[in-house]
Amino acid sequence: GQQVMQIPQYQHVQEGEDFTTYCNSSTTLSNIQWYKQRPGGHPVFLIQLVKSGEVKKQKRLTFQFGEAKKNSSLHITATQTTDVGTYFCAEINDMRFGAGTRLTVKP
Amino acid sequence: DAMVIQNPRYQVTQFGKPVTLSCSQTLNHNVMYWYQQKSSQAPKLLFHYYDKDFNNEADTPDNFQSRRPNTSFCFLDIRSPGLGDAAMYLCATSRVAGETQYFGPGTRLLVL
Repeated sequence: GQQVMQIPQYQHVQEGEDFTTYCNSSTTLSNIQWYKQRPGGHPVFLIQLVKSGEVKKQKRLTFQFGEAKKNSSLHITATQTTDVGTYFCAEINDMRFGAGTRLTVKP
Repeated sequence: DAMVIQNPRYQVTQFGKPVTLSCSQTLNHNVMYWYQQKSSQAPKLLFHYYDKDFNNEADTPDNFQSRRPNTSFCFLDIRSPGLGDAAMYLCATSRVAGETQYFGPGTRLLVL
């Protein structure tokens, strides 16, 4: 199955700073999903990207799908303590998750 | 209202003693998934059902089995748990393959 690489593994930011996590694949992805998992919680679906070059926004979150459909990113503007958690991308066909980026936010 | 329910939330078993984890859903979704998630790792797909069709991941140990007696319920059986099987087990559903997955709260398994 396709391997999805996700970086960074950890990110610690000061509240108000921006945050970005990246997912990359060596092969073309049909589509990609993003999930958030709070500490002690379960993954919660955020968004699905399907089209080449697609950009979607959810309040302070911006999701992008690369033109070649081999990479994707999640950007959070002006982080808040409620953004704490691990963000996973997931390749849909094989349901393989990236390793996740654990975000911590210092108030 | 809970849509994907997992019982129990915590399960302690002994090395080699069979254990069954359960999952139920009120969404009437066709697809049900079982994932294993170890500490600080990503969820790893063990198997999934598309309706009654069972799909096993190639690297899922034979020690893990699953049953789906009807649309609403799915069970994960671990025949002889080893210490390495201690993990969070997540059940998820989706209406069809490739759509949004809804995760249950998980069952944390401890093997003594």
